[in-house]
Amino acid sequence: SSELTQDPAVSVALGQTVRITCQGDSLRSYYASWYQQKPRQAPVLVIYGKNNRPSGIPDRFSGSSSGNTASLTITGAQAEDEADYYCNSRDSSDNHQVVFGGGTKLTVL
Amino acid sequence: EVQLVESGGGLVQPGGSLRLSCATSGFIVSSKYMSWVRQAPGKGLEWVSVIYSGGTTYYADSVKGRFTISRDNSKNTLYLQMNSLRGEDTAVYYCARTNELWFAFDIWGQGTMVTVSS
Repeated sequence: SSELTQDPAVSVALGQTVRITCQGDSLRSYYASWYQQKPRQAPVLVIYGKNNRPSGIPDRFSGSSSGNTASLTITGAQAEDEADYYCNSRDSSDNHQVVFGGGTKLTVL
Repeated sequence: EVQLVESGGGLVQPGGSLRLSCATSGFIVSSKYMSWVRQAPGKGLEWVSVIYSGGTTYYADSVKGRFTISRDNSKNTLYLQMNSLRGEDTAVYYCARTNELWFAFDIWGQGTMVTVSS
């Protein structure tokens, strides 16, 4: 099966912009989705498809993709954005399966 | 309101079985793709299985042949039958409504903990 690779940890100063990346061969064929997970809570979908935000997700969250890399950008990070972020996509080696990235811990300083 | 509520987790011995349930409300479960995703303690998310609206099922290689996903349309409930459980199956199990175009998990339950230990 395919793999998606994320940086384990990223930090950003309050109010600044941060980009979290996700790399993998599957992303050449499929868009990534992004999830935010805070401690002891279920994940929440924040971006899906080309750059779609579910209802209730602030517009400071955006997504992009190029080649084998997908990115989640938070423009003007807030303290409440501190969380783990996961990407996922269909598995290009078997498109009935799903692959997740290992997750990125975002710290807002 | 769209809601998913899991139940059925607990402590089970290696080699044992457990059935998880996911009661849904606010939509018709048979009209959507539905998945199970798990998270081992302190680890990342791992996709487990999906059932398509048409009933076709798929599994991660790590659980194929041991787990079975199903649904009861009359109860609007999703299930995960887990057999031959191993220590590495210990995790919080989430059910998640799945967007069939993007394979994005747009609604999640609160999760149910499964511990496999003697």
